[in-house]
Amino acid sequence: EAQVTQNPRYLITVTGKKLTVTCSQNMNHEYMSWYRQDPGLGLRQIYYSMNVEVTDKGDVPEGYKVSRKEKRNFPLILESPSPNQTSLYFCASSLTQQHTGELFFGEGSRLTVL
Amino acid sequence: QQQVKQSPQSLIVQKGGISIINCAYENTAFDYFPWYQQFPGKGPALLIAIRPDVSEKKEGRFTISFNKSAKQFSLHIMDSQPGDSATYFCAASKRKTSYDKVIFGPGTSLSVIP
Repeated sequence: EAQVTQNPRYLITVTGKKLTVTCSQNMNHEYMSWYRQDPGLGLRQIYYSMNVEVTDKGDVPEGYKVSRKEKRNFPLILESPSPNQTSLYFCASSLTQQHTGELFFGEGSRLTVL
Repeated sequence: QQQVKQSPQSLIVQKGGISIINCAYENTAFDYFPWYQQFPGKGPALLIAIRPDVSEKKEGRFTISFNKSAKQFSLHIMDSQPGDSATYFCAASKRKTSYDKVIFGPGTSLSVIP
């Protein structure tokens, strides 16, 4: 089954404690992206990757890091989480960078930073 | 110029009625207009999409109407069912360029009541 898998689905952490949200896709997609979803603000792009070892900032990259060492994986790293990073996070992928309108989304990771 | 406007923010429709969600864009370089459906606790999923060379696309009870001159497009859900209750996002992207991210509207929360 074609899917984007995120872990963990739910996480409560404290300010400053580094955490990683993993994302893996099994569709051999070149393009991957991270979004955060907040009430009233819709989906905002954090970082994206057009292919292995190619990453770039989205609209709200502050406080986040990413890496793309393998085609299937695109982890999101919060080095020192703060309460304003409490949000619902989605990883998404598409066939190529020219198919960003046809995104496959994971089920989301709800993060709470105390 | 990169924004996609969406209305209404929320919508309540009686079972069997027609749900209509409207979107507008400004950048005429957009050439692909997808709609995403998001159920509570799930990630958005591609529902239906249209290119600007057609004025209408229908898939089952879901129809996109596209007005290129007005730079507007809308989603019509015929015979709305309680199972259609979800958040709907319109979006716009450019498939002909080397890379350009998809732009999402802010979303419409649809409730279909029995």
